[in-house]
Amino acid sequence: GAVVSQHPSWVICKSGTSVKIECRSLDFQATTMFWYRQFPKQSLMLMATSNEGSKATYEQGVEKDKFLINHASLTLSTLTVTSAHPEDSSFYICSAWTSGGLYEQYFGPGTRLTVT
Amino acid sequence: DAKTTQPTSMDCAEGRAANLPCNHSTISGNEYVYWYRQIHSQGPQYIIHGLKNNETNEMASLIITEDRKSSTLILPHATLRDTAVYYCIVNTGNQFYFGTGTSLTVIP
Repeated sequence: GAVVSQHPSWVICKSGTSVKIECRSLDFQATTMFWYRQFPKQSLMLMATSNEGSKATYEQGVEKDKFLINHASLTLSTLTVTSAHPEDSSFYICSAWTSGGLYEQYFGPGTRLTVT
Repeated sequence: DAKTTQPTSMDCAEGRAANLPCNHSTISGNEYVYWYRQIHSQGPQYIIHGLKNNETNEMASLIITEDRKSSTLILPHATLRDTAVYYCIVNTGNQFYFGTGTSLTVIP
């Protein structure tokens, strides 16, 4: 089956620093990748949609200058949280979609970010 | 925004069928109904999806009403490992907007 990986699985960083999270589709090419954020005891919130080779589309209320998304290839998308603050601490999940698949979104295992 | 309504929580006895309802009264003709589940601190796992017809796979069955305004996910023989949050999602294209989901607890 289609596998999506994320790296790192967890990260702790100091306030004011930037953190990069990678999302890779391991055995398929993802024309579109998505980034979600999930706070404790809450549902997943879609942050942005990225298509390979073009700028990401951000959901309303998501700061594009703070959450930088790059989708440079059909198997890799990165999310960089710039100048992280404690309120950015969350569970970040990516997913990948391919037009050649069964119309499912394949989700990564998530990255736990803690900003101290 | 999520277009679905689900009960907040449900319990099910181990070995019995778990029936999880979902209301999607504003669904459009070309929108699919997807079900995913999320076990604590993991990424969502695909279960099943459908458009009009009932669907069955090795994990579950999906029953969609004729007017498509609601659906039911059926786990035929629930096990303790099925304890998770179950999300019903309606989408056009490839963007998913998650609702609050149903927290299913399978009781021994």
